[in-house]
Amino acid sequence: DQQVKQNSPSLSVQEGRISILNCDYTNSMFDYFLWYKKYPAEGPTFLISISSIKDKNEDGRFTVFLNKSAKHLSLHIVPSQPGDSAVYFCAASGGGANSKLTFGKGITLSVRP
Amino acid sequence: KAGVTQTPRYLIKTRGQQVTLSCSPISGHRSVSWYQQTPGQGLQFLFEYFSETQRNKGNFPGRFSGRQFSNSRSEMNVSTLELGDSALYLCASRGQINTEAFFGQGTRLTVV
Repeated sequence: DQQVKQNSPSLSVQEGRISILNCDYTNSMFDYFLWYKKYPAEGPTFLISISSIKDKNEDGRFTVFLNKSAKHLSLHIVPSQPGDSAVYFCAASGGGANSKLTFGKGITLSVRP
Repeated sequence: KAGVTQTPRYLIKTRGQQVTLSCSPISGHRSVSWYQQTPGQGLQFLFEYFSETQRNKGNFPGRFSGRQFSNSRSEMNVSTLELGDSALYLCASRGQINTEAFFGQGTRLTVV
């Protein structure tokens, strides 16, 4: 049962444009959400997170939006740069038995120069 | 502050053997989690330890086991290796629940 879903396996955007990466979740007990970036043969690197008490969090070029009613979150990267090309994972956690981080399958972002 | 350290980085084992992977978390972090990454499957959760106790366990067979020591260092063991166990094994540490986890570089295990 895939509790965190990233339905698009890949995304290609032009340098300077906005990249929008989407993520859906099914477990209503999740209350903390994160995005990670991963290069091949390396561990994931934390990018940005959001708590369920907020609907938006910004950090430089990265903004995460949370729509609790739709169980949907998205990562916006503006402007996109070639160095942003990587695999992006969405993750979620909650309390108790849901305290572990549950990851989606990832989306490969390619930023064209 | 040193990051999460995993050893070894690369490992080649023969089917049927066993293997032990090691993870040293960030100083002060008491939670250590293990994940398996295979192509197309994302990060599959193996288990999480907190203060030497297993707090959560994923849906992996009993051949996969782990432990955590009093200094928070953790080991993961896989017995009777199968070809399908070939993967990147990642360790992550957290200071508290509902905070970000920091990952090590991973151990690339190849079973031949």
